[in-house]
Amino acid sequence: DAMVIQNPRYQVTQFGKPVTLSCSQTLNHNVMYWYQQKSSQAPKLLFHYYDKDFNNEADTPDNFQSRRPNTSFCFLDIRSPGLGDAAMYLCATSRTGQSYEQYFGPGTRLTVT
Amino acid sequence: AQKITQTQPGMFVQEKEAVTLDCTYDTSDPSYGLFWYKQPSSGEMIFLIYQGSYDQQNATEGRYSLNFQKARKSANLVISASQLGDSAMYFCAMREGQDDYKLSFGAGTTVTVRA
Repeated sequence: DAMVIQNPRYQVTQFGKPVTLSCSQTLNHNVMYWYQQKSSQAPKLLFHYYDKDFNNEADTPDNFQSRRPNTSFCFLDIRSPGLGDAAMYLCATSRTGQSYEQYFGPGTRLTVT
Repeated sequence: AQKITQTQPGMFVQEKEAVTLDCTYDTSDPSYGLFWYKQPSSGEMIFLIYQGSYDQQNATEGRYSLNFQKARKSANLVISASQLGDSAMYFCAMREGQDDYKLSFGAGTTVTVRA
């Protein structure tokens, strides 16, 4: 089945230790998104790729970076995680030109110790 | 200003009954789309239903229907015949503009279905 896959599902990292979360999709969608979601809150968009074009949200900290080496894969790099970065990170994809429905992966729950 | 407002933080519903989740939105763009997502405790966001601003009829998908009242700027989700598996957080979201694909999410409503 076509889907959005996130690895790992759970990630524990130490304060200040760089961490990379990965997302892959088999939907061949041209837009990929990274969201941060803290407990009982709405997802907060960090950035997205429209094809190869990177679009950063104005309030996304510099500590967060992203890479999209090809259509299928997208990575979220947190350069120096702080305790406040502990959250669920959701990857999503969509195809422009239609309803723009976003398909989400299962998420990666990040713990910072 | 909030683009999507969900005023019900939490709701309880009896199994097999219907429940309505409120969502109001704010936009000046004539072209927009409204979405409802379900998020169980496992964390995955599951797409439920979509309503386009130019759609003449209310969207329906199985037990889910969207009560779209354009003049009142509301897009309430109705879940009929609630099941225990419907217990989850529900988010209303909107995209604005002909070509805009980013979503604005509401704060969410937690639904708990009682046996």
